[in-house]
Amino acid sequence: RKEVEQDPGPFNVPEGATVAFNCTYSNSASQSFFWYRQDCRKEPKLLMSVYSSGNEDGRFTAQLNRASQYISLLIRDSKLSDSATYLCVAHSGSARQLTFGSGTQLTVLP
Amino acid sequence: DGGITQSPKYLFRKEGQNVTLSCEQNLNHDAMYWYRQDPGQGLRLIYYSQIVNDFQKGDIAEGYSVSREKKESFPLTVTSAQKNPTAFYLCASSLTGFPRETQYFGPGTRLLVL
Repeated sequence: RKEVEQDPGPFNVPEGATVAFNCTYSNSASQSFFWYRQDCRKEPKLLMSVYSSGNEDGRFTAQLNRASQYISLLIRDSKLSDSATYLCVAHSGSARQLTFGSGTQLTVLP
Repeated sequence: DGGITQSPKYLFRKEGQNVTLSCEQNLNHDAMYWYRQDPGQGLRLIYYSQIVNDFQKGDIAEGYSVSREKKESFPLTVTSAQKNPTAFYLCASSLTGFPRETQYFGPGTRLLVL
């Protein structure tokens, strides 16, 4: 079983739609969680950290459920520029290491 | 501008050849990392370093070597022992290496085998 699992998609949604991505992690000792965005053939860039109480940044909302070992990302009012691959990331529990999911591909259609 | 640079953007390796990928940062970060990404897959950690002259193996270190002689630089050598080196290689850095810190990535090097 992978340490961090994501639905690979692709998710194809119209502009203005709301879309949600889910991610599960297997290491119960994981302490920190992130969502990164990766454009085609580019490097990943931090989208947002995920906190226990959930957090929001504009159109983006991240939630963490430690009991179910589950992380989610909600994107409201999708824009064409949101088209990218979204990587779920967990601190693996061992020192200094992050574990990346395989990513969920999103395409926002005009 | 502060950031991470990687060179070259594309690199071709012949059979049996060692090649070195460059990674430089001017962010004054202590921690640096090397990842490998294969198509449709997440990033896998090759090596990381929290301080000059010290580095640790990640999940897939076999066939790779690194050095950390300067804070700013963390070159990765792909040796001939790495039998499937074709991948996208990403270098990253963070302030001290603590889990909550953001890792900043360079633009990557695509390695292809001839």
